[in-house]
Amino acid sequence: DVVMTQSPLSLPVTLGQPASISCRSSQSLVHSDGNTYLNWFQQRPGQSPRRLIYKVSNRDSGVPDRFSGSGSGTDFTLKISRVEAEDVGVYYCMQSTHWPLTFGGGTKVEIK
Amino acid sequence: EVQLVESGGALVQPGGSLRLSCAASGFTFSSYWMSWVRQAPGKGLEWVASIKQDESEKYSVDSVKGRFTISRDNAENSLHLQMNSLRVEDTAVYYCAKGKWLDPWGQGTLVTVSS
Repeated sequence: DVVMTQSPLSLPVTLGQPASISCRSSQSLVHSDGNTYLNWFQQRPGQSPRRLIYKVSNRDSGVPDRFSGSGSGTDFTLKISRVEAEDVGVYYCMQSTHWPLTFGGGTKVEIK
Repeated sequence: EVQLVESGGALVQPGGSLRLSCAASGFTFSSYWMSWVRQAPGKGLEWVASIKQDESEKYSVDSVKGRFTISRDNAENSLHLQMNSLRVEDTAVYYCAKGKWLDPWGQGTLVTVSS
């Protein structure tokens, strides 16, 4: 199985400052079709998860442009350019290139 | 607007069975893979199972193989998860999600396995 490793576990951030979350996979996420199926999800307190980013860097509809995804192969990053109060929650990376689908352990973003 | 509404969660004893359902609307259900994901209390997300549009392919996490069965009814726009031989460690909120890329998610249904 592909192991997804996120860091840090916890990320205290000052409002208006940038934040960055790392996600590393135990094997390449490049699919035989040439796509890289790495997704990012946000789970606000008490809510269902919501996808933010698909295929490494594509923002979902309604996702603010302060969120961006980047990376390739086995090394990926989610960046928030300026953290707002509504960004508090847990962020998960997930790969859907290989079965079984696997999630990272999550990164909790909180305001300092 | 895409809507996914899970139901069927309950308190059940170890070894018992439960059938979860997910009612889908707002999209052409028969055109998409569908998935189940769970979250144990205070823990992270764990993918459980996915099913292809015509049920020709089904995948599940090793920990539920032989116990859980994913199925769908395209005529009724519904997704199901038959859960047998339930264990304490199956206690979680179970979410259904559209596609293999999991967007969007339902509100979840709580399954508690306890004596």
